[in-house]
Amino acid sequence: QSALTQPPSVSGSPGQSVTISCTGTSSDVGTYNRVSWYQQPPGTAPKLMIYEVSNRPSGVPDRFSGSKSGNTASLTISGLQAEDEADYYCSSFTTSNTYVFGTGTKVTVL
Amino acid sequence: EVQLVESGGGLVQPGGSLRLSCAASGFTFSSHWMHWVRQAPGKGLVWVSQIKGDGSSTSYADSVKGRFTSSRDNAKNTLYLQMNSLRAEDTAVYYCAKGGPTAALDIWGQGTMVTVSS
Repeated sequence: QSALTQPPSVSGSPGQSVTISCTGTSSDVGTYNRVSWYQQPPGTAPKLMIYEVSNRPSGVPDRFSGSKSGNTASLTISGLQAEDEADYYCSSFTTSNTYVFGTGTKVTVL
Repeated sequence: EVQLVESGGGLVQPGGSLRLSCAASGFTFSSHWMHWVRQAPGKGLVWVSQIKGDGSSTSYADSVKGRFTSSRDNAKNTLYLQMNSLRAEDTAVYYCAKGGPTAALDIWGQGTMVTVSS
């Protein structure tokens, strides 16, 4: 199972919006809405930010939003803040009854 | 408080074995799928395995299939990962994570480091 494809890095100034893409195949992202996103600041464990494509767990700011079209999911951070600087990973359930993560994207706040 | 605490990591020689543990608290452990995810130094997250709440079903990434075995003791609220025939490329921080009702991994432990080296 190959990793989902994400851009290595994105950046933006405080208050701007950034979008991270996550491209899979018809065996994962394209078939299921079980797409989730995780935030991982340096030296810490991952934290769930989005589940089932576009839903936010309790406590996650509404600046974070998700969407999906075909084999590509996206995470948008609106009103970028310094505390959003971290690595972000997408993940999807697959037709093999396994999970696959994305390659990861480093978000830099300029 | 919902919490996962991994233990059992360390230095092991290639070809050796190691068993990781993940102690769970603050939720009904037996009701949830549990996962192992690893992260090599400076690299991304890689899903390793999952096990159903009652232990009746497991699945593994191709890279560890036949070498790693996930199990659980619901009486002890503990998840295990038995790792055999270890290779240098298995060197990573290993996280356990709780599967939520939506199939997302909603709670993560702090991780335990496994180093495979001679």
